[in-house]
Amino acid sequence: NAGVTQTPKFQVLKTGQSMTLQCAQDMNHEYMSWYRQDPGMGLRLIHYSVGAGITDQGEVPNGYNVSRSTTEDFPLRLLSAAPSQTSVYFCASSPRLPQETQYFGPGTRLLVL
Amino acid sequence: AQSVAQPEDQVNVAEGNPLTVKCTYSVSGNPYLFWYVQYPNRGLQFLLKYITGDNLVKGSYGFEAEFNKSQTSFHLKKPSALVSDSALYFCAVRDRGANAGKSTFGDGTTLTVKP
Repeated sequence: NAGVTQTPKFQVLKTGQSMTLQCAQDMNHEYMSWYRQDPGMGLRLIHYSVGAGITDQGEVPNGYNVSRSTTEDFPLRLLSAAPSQTSVYFCASSPRLPQETQYFGPGTRLLVL
Repeated sequence: AQSVAQPEDQVNVAEGNPLTVKCTYSVSGNPYLFWYVQYPNRGLQFLLKYITGDNLVKGSYGFEAEFNKSQTSFHLKKPSALVSDSALYFCAVRDRGANAGKSTFGDGTTLTVKP
């Protein structure tokens, strides 16, 4: 079991560039989420999914798109990167039941110049 | 809307002393409550959770947390702190209802245990 994997580990972008952060899990979890972590602001939910084909917005969705075509994968797309999107991004997954623990990936550190 | 507050950005304790990291929450209905720990340059790791039943929940590495419904609190505790407990701690709440897929995290508390 690889758990939750994220690629890349680190990325530098120029303002206006687009990119996709990859997230995959091999635990057959239905719930998947994307968070960003900024100093002093904890984890903020960007988008989440309760199953393949179903996504919803979190607290800070602007500038990000997601899709969930398979149970395993939940990519996060930055359409036109901005310096305000410089952050550490974490993907998490959990089984369907809300009392279940979330499993986190190792994170992607993104720097937008 | 659900929310979590961790009122202390930083908690400092001496090794061997008891530690408490505070968390209060706001949610409609009965919550699921979680504590996670993050070591430098790592993802979050699960420590413990409250679902129902006993108000005192025991978790990994000797940590425990007390659920207090009247005070809407879920403070993390450990009787004797270790230097290796130094890390960033997050409290989280998860709704039981329609938004069950959605978790809300506190801003985190940095715990420093000094030898």
